[in-house]
Amino acid sequence: AQSVTQPDIHITVSEGASLELRCNYSYGATPYLFWYVQSPGQGLQLLLKYFSGDTLVQGIKGFEAEFKRSQSSFNLRKPSVHWSDAAEYFCAVGAGGGADGLTFGKGTHLIIQP
Amino acid sequence: EPEVTQTPSHQVTQMGQEVILRCVPISNHLYFYWYRQILGQKVEFLVSFYNNEISEKSEIFDDQFSVERPDGSNFTLKIRSTKLEDSAMYFCASSAQGQFSGNTIYFGEGSWLTVV
Repeated sequence: AQSVTQPDIHITVSEGASLELRCNYSYGATPYLFWYVQSPGQGLQLLLKYFSGDTLVQGIKGFEAEFKRSQSSFNLRKPSVHWSDAAEYFCAVGAGGGADGLTFGKGTHLIIQP
Repeated sequence: EPEVTQTPSHQVTQMGQEVILRCVPISNHLYFYWYRQILGQKVEFLVSFYNNEISEKSEIFDDQFSVERPDGSNFTLKIRSTKLEDSAMYFCASSAQGQFSGNTIYFGEGSWLTVV
C-alpha cells in the first residue's frame, strides 16, 4: 500500500524567504503525486501535480515541485513566500486507475513571520 | 471558476442519529468522491462514485456509510448511526475524468460534523 510522509509538522519562514516543504512517498510503481493547500476554513486547493514527463512541475501561486525517483521525494518549493501563503500543505500520492483514492500525508503547517 | 459546494458547513448531531451531508459537484464532472479529515489528522479517502455506482471505497467506508446521487446535481453521504469517532471534516470532490487521467480533482470547502 502506498504511503506519504511529511516530516515537518510546522515550518516557520520569514516573508520573502524561500521555502521548501518535504514529502516522501512509498509506492511500488510510478506514482501520481500532488500538492494541495488548505487555508483556514477553506477546502483543499490543488497546487500542482506530477503524472509523467518533466520531473520539475510548475503550479499555481508561484509554487513548483520536483519529483526525484531515486529519493522517493516530491518536495514543494517557492522562491519567495508571501504572508498569504500561510496555510496547511498536504502532499498526496495516487495509485492511478480512474477513481482510485488519494493517500495524503499528515500535512505541514506553514507559518509566515514578518 | 466552477466550484464544488457542500452543505451544511457545520452540523452537530447526537450519537446514534442519521446524518446526510450534501454536495453539488461541478456540473459536467463524472467522478465524485468523499474524503474525511479527523481533527489534527490527515485527509483520508472514503469512497469514489462513477456512473451511479461506487467505484472504490476504503476500509473506513463500512456499512454505516452510503452514498447516493439522487438527482442530476446532488451527491450525498449518509452516515446511518453516528458514532463519536465520526466527528470530522468531510470533503466532497469531483473531477471531469478519473483523477489520474490528467484532470484536476476539485474539493469543496468541507462539512464539519460534530457528534456529541
